[in-house]
Amino acid sequence: NAGVTQTPKFQVLKTGQSMTLQCAQDMNHNSMYWYRQDPGMGLRLIYYSASEGTTDKGEVPNGYNVSRLNKREFSLRLESAAPSQTSVYFCASSPSGGGSYNEQFFGPGTRLTVL
Amino acid sequence: RKEVEQDPGPFNVPEGATVAFNCTYSNSASQSFFWYRQDCRKEPKLLMSVYSSGNEDGRFTAQLNRASQYISLLIRDSKLSDSATYLCVVNEGYDYKLSFGAGTTVTVRA
Repeated sequence: NAGVTQTPKFQVLKTGQSMTLQCAQDMNHNSMYWYRQDPGMGLRLIYYSASEGTTDKGEVPNGYNVSRLNKREFSLRLESAAPSQTSVYFCASSPSGGGSYNEQFFGPGTRLTVL
Repeated sequence: RKEVEQDPGPFNVPEGATVAFNCTYSNSASQSFFWYRQDCRKEPKLLMSVYSSGNEDGRFTAQLNRASQYISLLIRDSKLSDSATYLCVVNEGYDYKLSFGAGTTVTVRA
């Protein structure tokens, strides 16, 4: 069981470039999430997918798009990267949402720098 | 106002010491509470859930105070391996979204 995997681990972009961050989970989880983590701030939710076929905005969705490709995969796209998007991006998954059982399992993160 | 606030620390303690820290949350309707642990440059991992009656997991004790809207984490007999950032996490209702605090850094020295 690999758990949650993310690619790439590191990326450097120039302002205006685009890229897609990939995430996959092999735990048969229904819900998946994308977060960003900046120094001195908690993880902030960008987008989430409660179940296959659905996606919703989180706290900081501007400048991002997502695709829930299937139950396993959830990608995050930056259409036109900006320096403010320099951050560490984490993908996570959970069995299902709602109620008190909300443990989320995280991938190893992608460190993105936008110049 | 942030939904979840934590003292960033760092808390520097010797091996064997007890260290405790709190986290406050703003939404009185919050339903479930967790402590996650994050090692340097690694992903967060669930340390323990926090139950209304308080709960222990080995050397770790978590408490919830709904009246004052805070949760606490106490680490007894600290080990070098306890050095990490501890994230306070709150679920505000019956949906999928968690709110994360910025973390409290604990450094255990030999």
